[in-house]
Amino acid sequence: DIQMTQSPSSLSASVGDRVTITCRASQSISSHLNWYQQKPGIAPKILICASSSLQSGVPSRFSGSGSGTGFTLTISNLQPEDFATYYCQQSYTTPWTFGQGTKVEI
Amino acid sequence: QLQLQESGPGLVKPSETLSLTCTVSGDSISNTDYYWGWIRQPPEKGLEWIGTIYNSGNTFYNPSLKSRVTMSVDTSKKQFSLILSSVTAADTAVYYCSRVWYSSSLDVWWFDPWGRGTLVTVSS
Repeated sequence: DIQMTQSPSSLSASVGDRVTITCRASQSISSHLNWYQQKPGIAPKILICASSSLQSGVPSRFSGSGSGTGFTLTISNLQPEDFATYYCQQSYTTPWTFGQGTKVEI
Repeated sequence: QLQLQESGPGLVKPSETLSLTCTVSGDSISNTDYYWGWIRQPPEKGLEWIGTIYNSGNTFYNPSLKSRVTMSVDTSKKQFSLILSSVTAADTAVYYCSRVWYSSSLDVWWFDPWGRGTLVTVSS
């Protein structure tokens, strides 16, 4: 299975900050990488697919980049509603696997 | 707008079988543009993909669960289902159903939207 490792596991930030989350794959996954946001008690929501393709309705302060084994999710100008846990997920090959999550806290 | 709702018992005894159903509304489960899937999340832990099914019944499962998983689709009821046999405490989790998209241009699969999830506890 492809292992997905996120860093950091958690971070503290303030409204208005720029936040970067890293996701590393145990082998090359090209650009087959998605990002999700999950708030407590709520199902995950897709933010970005194919490494950098912003989903409809997702604010432009979210951006993704990377290919191969290294990927980043950047949130510019952090807003109060962005405090959540973020997961990366590879769909390069089954079994599709997720990172362990990065919790963004105030 | 597509909505999904999981349903099933919240408590299952060890060694027994977990059965969940996902009801689809707001779009046709027979739509050939996408697939359907199950994902689970143990308490305070990360996400695990369980399996994916097409409306034709074609399936692909996580190998770690494959020997115990069966998924099916009932287009007349607008539902798809998950059966997980011989459960243990390790199967305690919130189970989510989701629509699964595939983009041929991007060659990528993703889950959107997700149901609200249902907590299944395995305990005697």
